[in-house]
Amino acid sequence: GAGVSQSPRYKVAKRGQDVALRCDPISGHVSLFWYQQALGQGPEFLTYFQNEAQLDKSGLPSDRFFAERPEGSVSTLKIQRTQQEDSAVYLCASSPREVGGDYNEQFFGPGTRLTVL
Amino acid sequence: AQKVTQAQTEISVVEKEDVTLDCVYETRDTTYYLFWYKQPPSGELVFLIRRNSFDEQNEISGRYSWNFQKSTSSFNFTITASQVVDSAVYFCALTASGAGSYQLTFGKGTKLSVIP
Repeated sequence: GAGVSQSPRYKVAKRGQDVALRCDPISGHVSLFWYQQALGQGPEFLTYFQNEAQLDKSGLPSDRFFAERPEGSVSTLKIQRTQQEDSAVYLCASSPREVGGDYNEQFFGPGTRLTVL
Repeated sequence: AQKVTQAQTEISVVEKEDVTLDCVYETRDTTYYLFWYKQPPSGELVFLIRRNSFDEQNEISGRYSWNFQKSTSSFNFTITASQVVDSAVYFCALTASGAGSYQLTFGKGTKLSVIP
């Protein structure tokens, strides 16, 4: 079956431009996560959705970062007025159930590599 | 606060050699999960193993084995008879168990190069 897909795979933006990164989770998965992976670093948590509700956005680095999942399936991570420090790989992951109780496996997509010039 | 340390930034081995990737973690949670992920050049994180803090039994899966030692807060990963296809960046990760167990805390990764 299809895994998590992300688009575009690569994005180059000029500083100050807005970008939108898309994540298509595995069909039927309730939970969706965004992570940011800077070069040479491990992924860092950004935000979590349960269906359409954004339950945790504690990892978003600034108010220029905004995520949505309006119909509880596809999610978009938007970065406004991009800056060079936003350059990173943005990973999306989905899980079949809501969080809580036993651990809920996260399935990762291939990521979008964002380069801000 | 949680922290995962992978002290080895890069390792190179010759094919068929054994290699161990180190992982040391810090957490205040009494129950937690530990993970290893593989990230090949394609970028996708591939799940390898999850270990509950209650279970300190070592595990072997083919050429892979994991040594979990709670006393030293370590969760090391050994690849036996390495192959070129094992070349990738390997991440150790940690999360609390129970409600709120979804934020994975990753180490910085160890880049493994297996030379033919």
